Amino acid sequence: DAGVIQSPRHEVTEMGQEVTLRCKPISGHNSLFWYRQTMMRGLELLIYFNNNVPIDDSGMPEDRFSAKMPNASFSTLKIQPSEPRDSAVYFCASSLNPQSMNTEAFFGQGTRLTVV
Amino acid sequence: DQQVKQNSPSLSVQEGRISILNCDYTNSMFDYFLWYKKYPAEGPTFLISISSIKDKNEDGRFTVFLNKSAKHLSLHIVPSQPGDSAVYFCAASASGSGYALNFGKGTSLLVTP
Repeated sequence: DAGVIQSPRHEVTEMGQEVTLRCKPISGHNSLFWYRQTMMRGLELLIYFNNNVPIDDSGMPEDRFSAKMPNASFSTLKIQPSEPRDSAVYFCASSLNPQSMNTEAFFGQGTRLTVV
Repeated sequence: DQQVKQNSPSLSVQEGRISILNCDYTNSMFDYFLWYKKYPAEGPTFLISISSIKDKNEDGRFTVFLNKSAKHLSLHIVPSQPGDSAVYFCAASASGSGYALNFGKGTSLLVTP
């Protein structure tokens, strides 16, 4: 398997523009997570999905952020409108979580977003 | 509020010696703990984990110790190698929370020849 695939790897955009980050989880995994990494706050969980259903989006910083998972093999994280403080590395991760069992999550290589 | 804390931002160790990375947590519901390793411009990669029913798990040069009463875990790397130089993240999850991982801010380990 190719692992978790994120695109683009780098994104530079102007303030106010819409940004869409994409993620393809590992085939067969039923949980998908979006994280944001900044120097100040480290790795923060933004939202996670189980079986394509959003379970907890309490980490989404503002209404400008939205995430979707239309099917088991694709998810998007959208920021509209983007602001300079959104500049960070955004990671997508997936895991296989059989009932009542914890397992590790596998991360993509991340998207480095710069909003100017 | 940071539920997983790594209080040492950096650590330098000589090659061949033991590296000890520490992690504390506050949420008593956490029942699964993991260590991830991260190189620059890459995503975190899973290293080793431990369930709350154990107090030690070993995998080659890597051992994780869990002290539930102190809400503390540590990662031991012995012997340390220059290729171990990376940022190490401690993470924890609770079964009732859908297994989402809560991460510490990381410890940057430098292993010098």
